[in-house]
Amino acid sequence: AQTVTQSQPEMSVQEAETVTLSCTYDTSENNYYLFWYKQPPSRQMILVIRQEAYKQQNATENRFSVNFQKAAKSFSLKISDSQLGDTAMYFCAFGYGNEKLTFGTGTRLTIIP
Amino acid sequence: DSGVTQTPKHLITATGQRVTLRCSPRSGDLSVYWYQQSLDQGLQFLIQYYNGEERAKGNILERFSAQQFPDLHSELNLSSLELGDSALYFCASSVAAGGSSQETQYFGPGTRLLVL
Repeated sequence: AQTVTQSQPEMSVQEAETVTLSCTYDTSENNYYLFWYKQPPSRQMILVIRQEAYKQQNATENRFSVNFQKAAKSFSLKISDSQLGDTAMYFCAFGYGNEKLTFGTGTRLTIIP
Repeated sequence: DSGVTQTPKHLITATGQRVTLRCSPRSGDLSVYWYQQSLDQGLQFLIQYYNGEERAKGNILERFSAQQFPDLHSELNLSSLELGDSALYFCASSVAAGGSSQETQYFGPGTRLLVL
């Protein structure tokens, strides 16, 4: 069974600064996928970024990028030039074979004006 | 807007009652997943359907059941409700099932269930 661990329950950062959210996982699979989802106060689950384990290149989506370390089973999310709208819960998730997603417990990120 | 719709948005009911949550997947998506999010917790997988067939079960109580209809919409039935069933219930959909890939799951807005 896969597990996903987010060790930072809460974080805060000043607007325009850079913040990194940590995620580690455990799996015996080789070809898997990792995701970061954002859950703002509206509680909607919004996909932020996706990484395929077979790709060595780290995924990037505008201000959001990941640092994927397959050997270390680490998948951190970096948010650059943080904005007030980035305030949300962020969930790391593991996926394989179009089965369920396994989620971490989340990191509550607050962007301070 | 993810393209996944869920109704109702809010539901308030009493213990012992039965409710039905409805989900319509994105156009073209064949897989539907149900997740439960209790207060300030992560998402727990309940059940997956693919093209009308149950594909995988997670931590779904026996009091809960689901189905996917020929038009691919899905319903989650919760019966003999207890206070602890109060949660946000998400439906997600994706294109595929099986294989070695992992299509992105797109989430609906959720149904907030409050059991009093």
